[in-house]
Amino acid sequence: DVKVTQSSRYLVKRTGEKVFLECVQDMDHENMFWYRQDPGLGLRLIYFSYDVKMKEKGDIPEGYSVSREKKERFSLILESASTNQTSMYLCASSFLPSSVRGGNQPQHFGDGTRLSIL
Amino acid sequence: KQEVTQIPAALSVPEGENLVLNCSFTDSAIYNLQWFRQDPGKGLTSLLLIQSSQREQTSGRLNASLDKSSGRSTLYIAASQPGDSATYLCAVIERNFNKFYFGSGTKLNVKP
Repeated sequence: DVKVTQSSRYLVKRTGEKVFLECVQDMDHENMFWYRQDPGLGLRLIYFSYDVKMKEKGDIPEGYSVSREKKERFSLILESASTNQTSMYLCASSFLPSSVRGGNQPQHFGDGTRLSIL
Repeated sequence: KQEVTQIPAALSVPEGENLVLNCSFTDSAIYNLQWFRQDPGKGLTSLLLIQSSQREQTSGRLNASLDKSSGRSTLYIAASQPGDSATYLCAVIERNFNKFYFGSGTKLNVKP
């Protein structure tokens, strides 16, 4: 079974702190994604990565950065946390759709990190 | 830009009823469409994936159909149970882009 593991289920930080959210997958997936989910706004893509050291901005990248030094690990960084970044953060991974393995394989999600910025 | 819409936003049914959830998308150039389930405070669990060349997929009491030309998918749940209560989301991945586009979900409540 595919496992996507997010380092924390709940996290409380203070305004201005640098915050790291970690995600690890064990299925050799090329793609990894970070989303945030807010009531009434649905899932919004922050960043994604299709290879080591590669990253692409999603729909709402402002205030965030990412790091992918190893294929299995994708980190989301809040450079200076603000209260409007209080949210549920979801990590996901998948094969590249265009790859031989990718077309019929689903995207897999972690259990989420509920982040509160005070 | 691809837009994914789910109707209704919420649905409440008595146990045992068959029901249909709807998903529509604006650009038919998709690789596949996925249906997910999300329980409160949890991540998303993949239920069914339909490739663009397929018309439907089945898993147990769930059946998902895809009509790419009209930009629609339905998730059919047979003989609903209280344990089916959750939010159901659909997502498409486009042929030319390496991103998933999600609908806002249908919140299902199955009453005992």
